[in-house]
Amino acid sequence: AAGVIQSPRHLIKEKRETATLKCYPIPRHDTVYWYQQGPGQDPQFLISFYEKMQSDKGSIPDRFSAQQFSDYHSELNMSSLELGDSALYFCASSLRSTEAFFGQGTRLTVV
Amino acid sequence: DAKTTQPPSMDCAEGRAANLPCNHSTISGNEYVYWYRQIHSQGPQYIIHGLKNNETNEMASLIITEDRKSSTLILPHATLRDTAVYYCIVHVNTGNQFYFGTGTSLTVIP
Repeated sequence: AAGVIQSPRHLIKEKRETATLKCYPIPRHDTVYWYQQGPGQDPQFLISFYEKMQSDKGSIPDRFSAQQFSDYHSELNMSSLELGDSALYFCASSLRSTEAFFGQGTRLTVV
Repeated sequence: DAKTTQPPSMDCAEGRAANLPCNHSTISGNEYVYWYRQIHSQGPQYIIHGLKNNETNEMASLIITEDRKSSTLILPHATLRDTAVYYCIVHVNTGNQFYFGTGTSLTVIP
């Protein structure tokens, strides 16, 4: 069965650079979620989209933005990167708000 | 805000049942109980969810008390591959996020 695809799997950026993470949800899923997980921490909700509209917002820094496109894929844009942004970033998708399925994540390292 | 309380860690012998408790005393009538697990640095994996009836699937069973203030996830025959952090989440199916608390770190011992 198709799963949530995230790209890239690994990304290394320098401070103050910009990064774009991509998420391709399970086909026919209409809801996408983004999470950030720092070392030794639990996943923290960033933002979600339902039918291409932002539906909920968590602890997402103003330097980050995201959107969901007409084909339902989503991108998380991160600007002015800081060392503290180094983390695993997970995307999940669901049909409406039922069980969400997570991708394998993007490991972002800021140096 | 945390809506669930779980023990921080548990051990279980391989082949035995693992029973993971969760307290959710402030659960609302329209909130479901979801369980996820995360094996080191992998994406969280959906296990099971329920509203008020007990549920079973190929991975686990979910027992919800009659007052819905607590639940137990049961892995009937734990294997070493079940070593993971298990998260109990209350979620309304019109909601737009799954809130991960601190979870229970389960270690299955050979």
